[in-house]
Amino acid sequence: NAGVTQTPKFQVLKTGQSMTLQCAQDMNHEYMSWYRQDPGMGLRLIHYSVGAGITDQGEVPNGYNVSRSTTEDFPLRLLSAAPSQTSVYFCASSDREGQPQHFGDGTRLSIL
Amino acid sequence: EDQVTQSPEALRLQEGESSSLNCSYTVSGLRGLFWYRQDPGKGPEFLFTLYSAGEEKEKERLKATLTKKESFLHITAPKPEDSATYLCAVGDILTGGGNKLTFGTGTQLKVEL
Repeated sequence: NAGVTQTPKFQVLKTGQSMTLQCAQDMNHEYMSWYRQDPGMGLRLIHYSVGAGITDQGEVPNGYNVSRSTTEDFPLRLLSAAPSQTSVYFCASSDREGQPQHFGDGTRLSIL
Repeated sequence: EDQVTQSPEALRLQEGESSSLNCSYTVSGLRGLFWYRQDPGKGPEFLFTLYSAGEEKEKERLKATLTKKESFLHITAPKPEDSATYLCAVGDILTGGGNKLTFGTGTQLKVEL
């Protein structure tokens, strides 16, 4: 009964490096999203997907790419890391519109 | 633009001391008001969804209510294990379909013996 699994849990990068944050869900949910959480701010939507092969931008998409080749997986790519991308990243999924989103435990990312 | 404001930012209670957390919102078309609990180092854990004014939901010591402008999370006789950050979010449907949650910044609750 894993739910939403995110890897890695922690990562430190240097400015300019690239990396992929992994997200997998085992609930057969169509909708998946990526959020970032910063001190003093609510979680903000980066990118989302309504099904395999379909993605779109959220509120703060710059510097990030996503793809959705399967229902289960929704990786988030940082193309060229910047210190402003230091944050905690959460992946979430839900089975349809208006339904609760279920979150993973996050990836804590520091960019030096 | 959807906005969510939570108050207070932090709340310290004695065990058994009941209180309420507030979530006020402005949204063009509400598609659910969601309450989550977040423990340190963890992701938000879903508690309740409310869809229409007047609706109430309960779970153990927690009760959530909804009006047209705000929601309250009432905590009755809290215990130390209720200590966490409580997040409120409003749901909306995105142009391309799918869900968007707009979150408040949370209320950090600490319950002491």
